[in-house]
Amino acid sequence: GESVGLHLPTLSVQEGDNSIINCAYSNSASDYFIWYKQESGKGPQFIIDIRSNMDKRQGQRVTVLLNKTVKHLSLQIAATQPGDSAVYFCAEGRSNDYKLSFGAGTTVTVRA
Amino acid sequence: DAMVIQNPRYQVTQFGKPVTLSCSQTLNHNVMYWYQQKSSQAPKLLFHYYDKDFNNEADTPDNFQSRRPNTSFCFLDIRSPGLGDAAMYLCATANVGGQFFGQGTRLTVV
Repeated sequence: GESVGLHLPTLSVQEGDNSIINCAYSNSASDYFIWYKQESGKGPQFIIDIRSNMDKRQGQRVTVLLNKTVKHLSLQIAATQPGDSAVYFCAEGRSNDYKLSFGAGTTVTVRA
Repeated sequence: DAMVIQNPRYQVTQFGKPVTLSCSQTLNHNVMYWYQQKSSQAPKLLFHYYDKDFNNEADTPDNFQSRRPNTSFCFLDIRSPGLGDAAMYLCATANVGGQFFGQGTRLTVV
């Protein structure tokens, strides 16, 4: 079936550096994308979303980029902090459907 | 303030003994979901409600049932838990602004 996947299962980043987490999706009908952060023992926390009519969206210290041509989604975290250590999931969905498909997750570890 | 609340956070049950997990929401969202998440894996959708309309995923075992008595509450019933059902169970709600998760219930089967 169609699914969303992440390029790398783990990412180690130095505190203060920028992080880039990548995600590839295969369902060309998807028009809505979300990034979640999940800390150990907790539920996924909504970070930022983007719709397919946009290429870029910025939040506080985070930016999501969408490249529909190659079906690629990325999350950039500026000035990565120890509190950013978590598993990050991308998810994709369609406006006429309330279901999301999740990628496998990237574990981000921030080095002091 | 928590908007999607799951109780309990940790649940231990005996093999084969029915167990119910609870979820409540203060967001008044029409859609509610139950996911199963095993360690280091993505959440797997079990079923969802749009209002009272129940939608079961094709690969959700019959052992898993759900009830939604009103907009605010949703329950996950596991009729005969097996060792393979040990997991984090996540409840989520949705509107046009996205899906929002509770903190999950960690189920242990002994």
